[in-house]
Amino acid sequence: DAEITQSPRHKITETGRQVTLACHQTWNHNNMFWYRQDLGHGLRLIHYSYGVQDTNKGEVSDGYSVSRSNTEDLPLTLESAASSQTSVYFCASSRTSSDNEQFFGPGTRLTVL
Amino acid sequence: DAKTTQPPSMDCAEGRAANLPCNHSTISGNEYVYWYRQIHSQGPQYIIHGLKNNETNEMASLIITEDRKSSTLILPHATLRDTAVYYCIVRFRSGGYQKVTFGTGTKLQVIP
Repeated sequence: DAEITQSPRHKITETGRQVTLACHQTWNHNNMFWYRQDLGHGLRLIHYSYGVQDTNKGEVSDGYSVSRSNTEDLPLTLESAASSQTSVYFCASSRTSSDNEQFFGPGTRLTVL
Repeated sequence: DAKTTQPPSMDCAEGRAANLPCNHSTISGNEYVYWYRQIHSQGPQYIIHGLKNNETNEMASLIITEDRKSSTLILPHATLRDTAVYYCIVRFRSGGYQKVTFGTGTKLQVIP
């Protein structure tokens, strides 16, 4: 069955280190998204992509970057991890730009010490 | 984006209907109402969406008021597995991506 996976599921890192979170989907969806979820804030959009070589900033993009070299993957990179980036990160994908149904991955819990 | 207001928490007896309200008084004519839910420690799950007519699928029903300023998600026979945080969001359905904030949602507790 088609699915969306994230790795690692849990990560502990130190301040200042570069961290990359992987997201892989097998639905052949054009659109992919990264969110972070923190208590009291719900889900907030970090970056999104409409297709290969396309990336866009969301509402909380500072300190994060993404690249889209193929349809299946949208890795999220924290260039220099900060304690404020401790969060649960969700990747999602959708079939069309209408985004009426986004499929979410299981999440990655990141702790920055 | 139109903002939404939801109660922070609700309880519902198992087997009864759960009615989750959402206020979106600033919704524009082309914005849809979407509902997602998030079961503890899992990614959010799409439930249903609608524009102005009532909608029903295998999971739930969505009732949108005539003035579209509010809506209600109905889970007809709530089970313990329906315990989750439910998010109501409004957004355009086409024309490229629009910023969306899921908000803090309603935590539904289904009680045995």
